[in-house]
Amino acid sequence: EPEVTQTPSHQVTQMGQEVILRCVPISNHLYFYWYRQILGQKVEFLVSFYNNEISEKSEIFDDQFSVERPDGSNFTLKIRSTKLEDSAMYFCGSGTYNEQFFGPGTRLTVL
Amino acid sequence: AQSVAQPEDQVNVAEGNPLTVKCTYSVSGNPYLFWYVQYPNRGLQFLLKYITGDNLVKGSYGFEAEFNKSQTSFHLKKPSALVSDSALYFCAVSLSTGANNLFFGTGTRLTVIP
Repeated sequence: EPEVTQTPSHQVTQMGQEVILRCVPISNHLYFYWYRQILGQKVEFLVSFYNNEISEKSEIFDDQFSVERPDGSNFTLKIRSTKLEDSAMYFCGSGTYNEQFFGPGTRLTVL
Repeated sequence: AQSVAQPEDQVNVAEGNPLTVKCTYSVSGNPYLFWYVQYPNRGLQFLLKYITGDNLVKGSYGFEAEFNKSQTSFHLKKPSALVSDSALYFCAVSLSTGANNLFFGTGTRLTVIP
């Protein structure tokens, strides 16, 4: 069964550093997403991506965040200058119009 | 604004017994409701959704959910629980059939006791 995969599973970084979280969506999907879950809190929507552009984003997704689909298979989330409060589990999703499938997540720890 | 509540952090049920995982929602328009399951070290897996039509929705692995507009609920049910159903279950709501911008509940951990 096809799955969304994410790398790395755990990323530790220093505050102020840039990080790139990587995702390989399911191959025939056209919609792509990033969500995050701060420890003990709800899963929160960050951004959706369709037709090579952002289709929707939340208030969390400020100028420090960017997404890219560089080669037609990978889907990346970049945080330019990480803050302590960016520490969370980041979930990538891909889907069709009616449903989303998610990866296992990348745990980002900002020190 | 949309919100989802899962009032139980933990649900325990004996194998073979029926299970219910509760979810209530609050939206300003017509709700589109989803259930996802997360097994250990795995991603969120889609179980079922309600868009419109029949209030009883059937999904994967024998799960079903009933949309109740008057009670603003979308409880997940299964007639006979399996040990392999033990996982973390998330309810989510969207104002879009396109499943964009899902608002998730905090999750309910289901443990099925052999």
